[in-house]
Amino acid sequence: QKEVEQDPGPLSVPEGAIVSLNCTYSNSAFQYFMWYRQYSRKGPELLMYTYSSGNKEDGRFTAQVDKSSKYISLFIRDSQPSDSATYLCAMSDGQAGTALIFGKGTTLSVSS
Amino acid sequence: GAGVSQSPSNKVTEKGKDVELRCDPISGHTALYWYRQSLGQGLEFLIYFQGNSAPDKSGLPSDRFSAERTGGSVSTLTIQRTQQEDSAVYLCASSLDGLGEQYFGPGTRLTVT
Repeated sequence: QKEVEQDPGPLSVPEGAIVSLNCTYSNSAFQYFMWYRQYSRKGPELLMYTYSSGNKEDGRFTAQVDKSSKYISLFIRDSQPSDSATYLCAMSDGQAGTALIFGKGTTLSVSS
Repeated sequence: GAGVSQSPSNKVTEKGKDVELRCDPISGHTALYWYRQSLGQGLEFLIYFQGNSAPDKSGLPSDRFSAERTGGSVSTLTIQRTQQEDSAVYLCASSLDGLGEQYFGPGTRLTVT
């Protein structure tokens, strides 16, 4: 079992839809959870950063962490064509210098 | 402010040649990471630098790979005797203190022919 599982998609939605992206993980030591957005031929861009369980909202984006289920989600409201990208979940145990463990990414396409 | 920068953006090299990839972290960030992103493989950790401490090299795939960080700032990743399986995007990230968010550069796309 891989440490972090993420459905690669592709996921295609119409403009204005609500998008749900998810990751599951196996390491209960993970405490910090991140979502990155990566456009084609660009580096990953940090979207959301959360600690432990709970919700965090930033504009159209909401990140949820459920540590009891080892499940994290990213919701995108009112999706736009500019949201078309690959979304990577990443997590760490919070120890100094720990490398992030990434999911393989979900490719999202939002059509106008 | 300026983000993480990497150079070159693209590098094509012949099998067996050595290559050097450069990373300039965000000013003031003490932690620097190198990752490799291969098609279908996701991001793979290579090496981590924190201040003046000895680097964590646990992710380097072979002894052909090495990295250094001069003056606690700029880092160079060197791949000796490149192989076709080294073809990938090499990403550098920096973090303020190694505990929090990591910010990535645009990457260097390496193609070994």
